[in-house]
Amino acid sequence: NAGVTQTPKFRVLKTGQSMTLLCAQDMNHEYMYWYRQDPGMGLRLIHYSVGEGTTAKGEVPDGYNVSRLKKQNFLLGLESAAPSQTSVYFCASVGPSAGGTEAFFGQGTRLTVV
Amino acid sequence: AQSVAQPEDQVNVAEGNPLTVKCTYSVSGNPYLFWYVQYPNRGLQFLLKYITGDNLVKGSYGFEAEFNKSQTSFHLKKPSALVSDSALYFCAVRDMIAGFQKLVFGTGTRLLVSP
Repeated sequence: NAGVTQTPKFRVLKTGQSMTLLCAQDMNHEYMYWYRQDPGMGLRLIHYSVGEGTTAKGEVPDGYNVSRLKKQNFLLGLESAAPSQTSVYFCASVGPSAGGTEAFFGQGTRLTVV
Repeated sequence: AQSVAQPEDQVNVAEGNPLTVKCTYSVSGNPYLFWYVQYPNRGLQFLLKYITGDNLVKGSYGFEAEFNKSQTSFHLKKPSALVSDSALYFCAVRDMIAGFQKLVFGTGTRLLVSP
């Protein structure tokens, strides 16, 4: 029972490079989220999805794009990485279990942009 | 918009002593409040939640939280701390936008339990 799986776990990018972070959940959850975690700032919502084929912007969407082509996968893309995007990225999902309130998180992706 | 505040960056406590990690909230309507814990190099794990009912909520690993409406607080507590409780703790509140729910997190409080 994997829950929420993120790949890769670590990555170093040069400024201007692109990459895609993959989030996969096996709980058949409708809602999926991408957060970034920075020291002293908690977790901030980047983008979210309420179901397959739908995405929306969160608090800090600039410089990121997302896609949800399959219900179980939520991809986060950086088209042209900047040092300000150095962060730890977390994916989460929420489903009808536990009253539809408990979020399940992946282990995170630590991204460094140099 | 809903928000939570964690006034302490770090809490230090000796093993065996009671611990409290503070959280205050600002919401319109009835709050859905949560505590999550993050161990080093791991994702966040759900500890407990308050939606309605008893003001004292019990959760995982012996933690509990007290909802206080008059003080708009939701403090996390444990009667006897363990060294293994050392971690980063986040308070969160549910926010609803156009029928969609998201979690709004506090800035986190690092708990350090010394032997």
